Amino acid sequence: AQSVAQPEDQVNVAEGNPLTVKCTYSVSGNPYLFWYVQYPNRGLQFLLKYITGDNLVKGSYGFEAEFNKSQTSFHLKKPSALVSDSALYFCAVSAQGYTDKLIFGTGTRLQVFP
Amino acid sequence: NAGVMQNPRHLVRRRGQEARLRCSPMKGHSHVYWYRQLPEEGLKFMVYLQKENIIDESGMPKERFSAEFPKEGPSILRIQQVVRGDSAAYFCASSRLQGNTEAFFGQGTRLTVV
Repeated sequence: AQSVAQPEDQVNVAEGNPLTVKCTYSVSGNPYLFWYVQYPNRGLQFLLKYITGDNLVKGSYGFEAEFNKSQTSFHLKKPSALVSDSALYFCAVSAQGYTDKLIFGTGTRLQVFP
Repeated sequence: NAGVMQNPRHLVRRRGQEARLRCSPMKGHSHVYWYRQLPEEGLKFMVYLQKENIIDESGMPKERFSAEFPKEGPSILRIQQVVRGDSAAYFCASSRLQGNTEAFFGQGTRLTVV
């Protein structure tokens, strides 16, 4: 069965510092991996995806994620955090066979302090 | 091109009443997905529909819940005889094609059962 784990409920980082939000996955077959961000009382906004190709994926708002097959991880990163990055971040993996039925992690709340 | 539109944004129902949640996908999108987000949890897949067809309803509760996506008009998620445990945010997503595309999410409908 497909699953996603986000081991940290919350990540705190100072503005200007690099940030990492962790995600590990378990799928059979090739994984299709996604990161979404959710601001308060809003829907999910797509950040980036990995389907195939380069392990380092660049996405919106300066975020990037690195696909590591041996560690079954897809950590989200940003070199310099902004206060406005504070939000709830979800990692997701597609169910086998197609990319749009998503299995979500429980989310990580990112708090960036000025 | 308007995004995925969900209405109402907020819905309050008394126990035993019916709730109808509507989702209009993005223009040109013929695939619709419904997800439920319980407080402090990630999103859980409920159902995947194409026009006039239910493709995958493996995440739908067996009773009281139904979904449709008619040839004309929005997709409807219907919850009969609501209970307090149905209180959640319900998100709709749409995509243009099956496979290798990202899903775009609406802003959600927050259902409160009193």
